[in-house]
Amino acid sequence: EAQLVESGGGLVQPGGSLRLSCAASGFTFSSYWMHWVRQAPGKGLVWVSRINNDGSSTSYADSVKGRFTISRDNAKNTMYLQMNSLRAEDTAVYYCAMATVTTRWAFDFWGQGTMVTVSS
Amino acid sequence: EIVLTQSPGTLSLSPGERATLSCRASQSVSSSYLAWYQQKPGQAPRLLIYGASSRATGIPDRFSGSGSGTDFTLTISRLEPEDFAVYYCQQCGISPYTFGQGTQLEIK
Repeated sequence: EAQLVESGGGLVQPGGSLRLSCAASGFTFSSYWMHWVRQAPGKGLVWVSRINNDGSSTSYADSVKGRFTISRDNAKNTMYLQMNSLRAEDTAVYYCAMATVTTRWAFDFWGQGTMVTVSS
Repeated sequence: EIVLTQSPGTLSLSPGERATLSCRASQSVSSSYLAWYQQKPGQAPRLLIYGASSRATGIPDRFSGSGSGTDFTLTISRLEPEDFAVYYCQQCGISPYTFGQGTQLEIK
């Protein structure tokens, strides 16, 4: 059974940095594209970033471009999101999700999320 | 960027009734890349429908999706108590992979 477990969230001051991790198990991690999606308290889902299966291609939402970096280590079955220059508006639950051509690149399965709070 | 607009914002229905949720795109979306998700409080979203009309693994057949171009619909034929939740549509074909703002399905 597929499992995605996010970690690395917490309280950080504006301008600070955090690195989120998404540990995968129960499926062939290297076959899936991976995404980060965030949800501010009481708000809707917002896509953040995507990485393809071998890490050679990435994309970002305009709101995080130049500040966030997505990466993956297929040997460790883990994806990362390095978040720099954090702002109050980055406060949200961050979910990782997996996608493959089998389901037309829809987000098949999601982790339970990790909370990031940016506040002084 | 493709903007997805869901309607209504809130839908109040009773168990056993039929629910029809709409998702309209600002430009044409390939039906291959339109998905629907369900999210309950405190939980991660769950994939319901992909490719506009294909049910994900384990999703009951009371959930169905339809549509093409700029207009898509999620229908729940007979509401069960566990169906009351927030529903999101998403286009997953072109970055940024945008979501609609959600429809809250509440018990009347």
